[in-house]
Amino acid sequence: EIVLTQSPGTLSLSPGERATLSCRASQTVSTSYLAWYQQKPGQAPRLLIYGASSRATGIPDRFSGSGSGTDFTLTISRLEPEDFAVYYCQQYAASPRTFGQGTKVEIK
Amino acid sequence: EVQLVESGGGLVQPGGSLRVSCAASGFTFSSYAVTWVRQAPGKGLEWVSAISGSGDSTYYADSVKGRFTISRDNSKNTLYLQMNSLRVEDTAVYYCAKWQGKSWFDAFDTWGQGTMVTVSS
Repeated sequence: EIVLTQSPGTLSLSPGERATLSCRASQTVSTSYLAWYQQKPGQAPRLLIYGASSRATGIPDRFSGSGSGTDFTLTISRLEPEDFAVYYCQQYAASPRTFGQGTKVEIK
Repeated sequence: EVQLVESGGGLVQPGGSLRVSCAASGFTFSSYAVTWVRQAPGKGLEWVSAISGSGDSTYYADSVKGRFTISRDNSKNTLYLQMNSLRVEDTAVYYCAKWQGKSWFDAFDTWGQGTMVTVSS
């Protein structure tokens, strides 16, 4: 099983600031089959990024993904009020599909 | 509009059974693999089970293998999760989600709103 470790656990930032979230895999995620999801309280997760760096339909370009192998990053260039949420990475290269434990981006 | 709507959650005693459903609309249901993901209260996301578009292939997390059964009825555009021998630790919101594309290696692009399953005496 591929274990995904996200850091930091919580990120305290102000609107307009840049957010950098990390996801590290216990083994290589082949073909960069790595996705990022956003979840707000009481809502279902929403797909942001797939293939490590491709934005899903309708996702603003302030969200970007990068990385390969075992180290991946989600960057939010300038935080908007609606971006404060929990973010999960997920690998879909192998079964079982696994998620990271999440990073909460909170208002400072 | 692509939509997934779960139903069937509720309160069940430990050792009991429950079946949750997910009604799909707005896309060709039989063309896509679908999955169940759960989230215990205040916790992260845990993948539970998946099924291919045809229903021929099924996959389970070790935590539910032998107790849960995933199935689908493509004539009714509906996904099911039969949960037996339920444990307190199965308490969670259960989400259904669909594959983004037709490759087995793809992310989940559409999620339902979830249905709450509570296992308690």
